[in-house]
Amino acid sequence: LAKTTQPISMDSYEGQEVNITCSHNNIATNDYITWYQQFPSQGPRFIIQGYKTKVTNEVASLFIPADRKSSTLSLPRVSLSDTAVYYCLVGDIMALYKLSFGAGTTVTVRA
Amino acid sequence: KAGVTQTPRYLIKTRGQQVTLSCSPISGHRSVSWYQQTPGQGLQFLFEYFSETQRNKGNFPGRFSGRQFSNSRSEMNVSTLELGDSALYLCASSFSGEHNEQFFGPGTRLTVL
Repeated sequence: LAKTTQPISMDSYEGQEVNITCSHNNIATNDYITWYQQFPSQGPRFIIQGYKTKVTNEVASLFIPADRKSSTLSLPRVSLSDTAVYYCLVGDIMALYKLSFGAGTTVTVRA
Repeated sequence: KAGVTQTPRYLIKTRGQQVTLSCSPISGHRSVSWYQQTPGQGLQFLFEYFSETQRNKGNFPGRFSGRQFSNSRSEMNVSTLELGDSALYLCASSFSGEHNEQFFGPGTRLTVL
């Protein structure tokens, strides 16, 4: 799997938009970009996945530039319950069952 | 639909002992993967089972083993426990393993004293 780099931590306030950028310079042609969220003492939860351009669902948006060497997860209007660790994963969609997570980004939302 | 369940949720063992963890996947899911999560190493893939066969394996010593039953439930066994085996062990299931979304259980917190 391609190596990813993302910030260790980010702070935000309720109602703000949080953008987390992940760098993946060695992304391969077949690789997809997937984001997971994890709360303490719980397993990771799938948030969103994309290959290029922009993907949006009811939870978040994922922006991927044309060169695909980075991606940005956007969480609109965060609340206290969005405080969690967010992981960026890059890999072949057919091999995602053996995911390798990095340290992730700890997002802390304050009132 | 019930989610992935793992038992026990918490476990305390001593060095040299062995332990067996259990995972019940979402109904209809045939792929079960196991992961170890520690503060220092993050979340690392252990192995994946599909239709009672180990299909993929991560870079862990042979002390870590698993199996899957005909109802897709899976067990993971760690023998000769070491202090470094203290971790959160997560199980994830998916329909076929090739689907993009895995559903994780709450994990089993193993402490080795």
